[in-house]
Amino acid sequence: GAGVSQSPRYKVAKRGQDVALRCDPISGHVSLFWYQQALGQGPEFLTYFQNEAQLDKSGLPSDRFFAERPEGSVSTLKIQRTQQEDSAVYLCASSLGDFREQYFGPGTRLTVT
Amino acid sequence: GNSVTQMEGPVTLSEEAFLTINCTYTATGYPSLFWYVQYPGEGLQLLLKATKADDKGSNKGFEATYRKETTSFHLEKGSVQVSDSAVYFCALTQTYGGSQGNLIFGKGTKLSVKP
Repeated sequence: GAGVSQSPRYKVAKRGQDVALRCDPISGHVSLFWYQQALGQGPEFLTYFQNEAQLDKSGLPSDRFFAERPEGSVSTLKIQRTQQEDSAVYLCASSLGDFREQYFGPGTRLTVT
Repeated sequence: GNSVTQMEGPVTLSEEAFLTINCTYTATGYPSLFWYVQYPGEGLQLLLKATKADDKGSNKGFEATYRKETTSFHLEKGSVQVSDSAVYFCALTQTYGGSQGNLIFGKGTKLSVKP
């Protein structure tokens, strides 16, 4: 079956632009996670959804970062007024529920120039 | 807070060599431990896991044992192949305290296996 998909795969933004990154989880997966992976580092947790409810956003680095999952399926991570330090790979993962195996998408590589 | 420390790479081995990638962790309570692998051009994949002390996770010839006394979860393989070339991430998740299972990763270790 289809895995987790993310789009776009690559995004170049000029500093100050807004970007939107999309995640299509595996159908039926209740839990959805966003992670940020800087170059040469491991992924770091950003935020978590259970269905449409955002239950944890403790990892979002600033109020320029916003995530939503309005119908409990597709999720969008939005970054406003992008800065160079936002350059990273943004990973989405979904699972059947809390503490179940997470399946990762291929990521979106964001470069802010 | 919770954290994972793994040996820095890159690690370069010849085919059929023995592999060890060290991983130690700091966590409150009893975390679950994981190894993820990222092959070139692909997304992260779960390689193996262990959920309690002395558990051994294994998959594709890789093994790791959850050692609570040394807070370690070292990855081993007896005979690596060129196809094992990838980046390996050690990770943990809390199993209590309001956590919903978000993963905490190490920095990753890049393995290159030469024929």
